Amino acid sequence: SQQGEEDPQALSIQEGENATMNCSYKTSINNLQWYRQNSGRGLVHLILIRSNEREKHSGRLRVTLDTSKKSSSLLITASRAADTASYFCATDAYKAAGNKLTFGGGTRVLVKP
Amino acid sequence: DGGITQSPKYLFRKEGQNVTLSCEQNLNHDAMYWYRQDPGQGLRLIYYSQIVNDFQKGDIAEGYSVSREKKESFPLTVTSAQKNPTAFYLCASSHPGQGQETQYFGPGTRLLVL
Repeated sequence: SQQGEEDPQALSIQEGENATMNCSYKTSINNLQWYRQNSGRGLVHLILIRSNEREKHSGRLRVTLDTSKKSSSLLITASRAADTASYFCATDAYKAAGNKLTFGGGTRVLVKP
Repeated sequence: DGGITQSPKYLFRKEGQNVTLSCEQNLNHDAMYWYRQDPGQGLRLIYYSQIVNDFQKGDIAEGYSVSREKKESFPLTVTSAQKNPTAFYLCASSHPGQGQETQYFGPGTRLLVL
């Protein structure tokens, strides 16, 4: 079963708008990561937030983490057509060995020019 | 160029045939992983290896086998016991340890059944 569940499953926005997607998970974690996947390609790491952090920024990306609600959000500001991709959250379970990640089902984002 | 390579990009399997997907990395990472991705879905862990000559089953290991004879290589065999092998297969690697939990992914292999 998947640890993380993304919401919404799909998102369509105009270029320049912000895109927000959410991730919920079930068990305690060491960290939560967000990855991006262009169609038919491998995943690319975007950002990692640790369980003792509440917010993190990287360029146009802003990630929040609420461990009490077991949820995270990814905000992409001023979206571009090139941001069109699927976005996945992945959790690294607390005390698990081997850096095993459990991925959610993803949010498919379409940015229209 | 450092990174992870997977070959082939497309692979066709006939009924009852075993096929092997290649994954090579030159990042000097100890850990390697194999994931399966079905259309419109997330990734599911098949097998992972934290060190040479050692590997563990993931969530969906049935019908698959792996080996880890070299640090750089982690081939995945899809056996005839895997009845629904059509999927996109992704290999990844990481250097386990605090501060280095990011996984680096290869470009993937798409397996189709004839």
